[in-house]
Amino acid sequence: EVQLVETGGGLVQPGRSLKLSCVASGFTFSNYWMTWTRQAPGKGLEWVASITNSGGSTYYPDSVKGRFTISRDNAQNTLYLKMNSLRSEDTATYYCTRGQLWFAYWGQGTLVTVSS
Amino acid sequence: DIQMTQSPASLSASLGETVTIECRASEDIYNGLAWYQQKPGKSPQLLIYNTNNFHTGVPSRFSGSGSGTQYSLKINSLQSEDVASYFCQQYYDYPFTFGAGTKLEL
Repeated sequence: EVQLVETGGGLVQPGRSLKLSCVASGFTFSNYWMTWTRQAPGKGLEWVASITNSGGSTYYPDSVKGRFTISRDNAQNTLYLKMNSLRSEDTATYYCTRGQLWFAYWGQGTLVTVSS
Repeated sequence: DIQMTQSPASLSASLGETVTIECRASEDIYNGLAWYQQKPGKSPQLLIYNTNNFHTGVPSRFSGSGSGTQYSLKINSLQSEDVASYFCQQYYDYPFTFGAGTKLEL
């Protein structure tokens, strides 16, 4: 069974940093692209970052480019999202998802609240 | 960026009814479209990819269609467990973008 478990969310002040983790199980992690997607409270979904299966290439929307970094450790079956210079508009539940184009499996999400 | 306009924003229907949700892209996305279902308090779940391909375990009462800029999700014989929000997503081009969602109620 595919499982994705995110951790690392919490309350953080504007301008500070936070690092999310996602531990994967139930599939060969190193074979798949991985993606972070977020959802602001009561709002829709927003693609945040994607990484190739090897970790050699990464992709971001302009809204987070230069502030967020997606990475992975295939030996530890773990995906990361380092978020710097956080803003109030980054407040959301962050989901770890498996997939390059469409996202077949989602974690339960971890809530990040950016507030002073 | 490709804009995805989803309609209606909310929908009230009856058990056994057939409903259709529409998604319009701001440019041709060449069938690069997926649909997700999100039940209250839960993570989204993939229903359909490549416009009309079912994800594993998705009931056959769900179907997808469309081409170019116009796509739709159809739910036949509405069941109580279909109460959820539905989102479309284009992956033809970066940045991937989602529709704003349709909240389906009974």
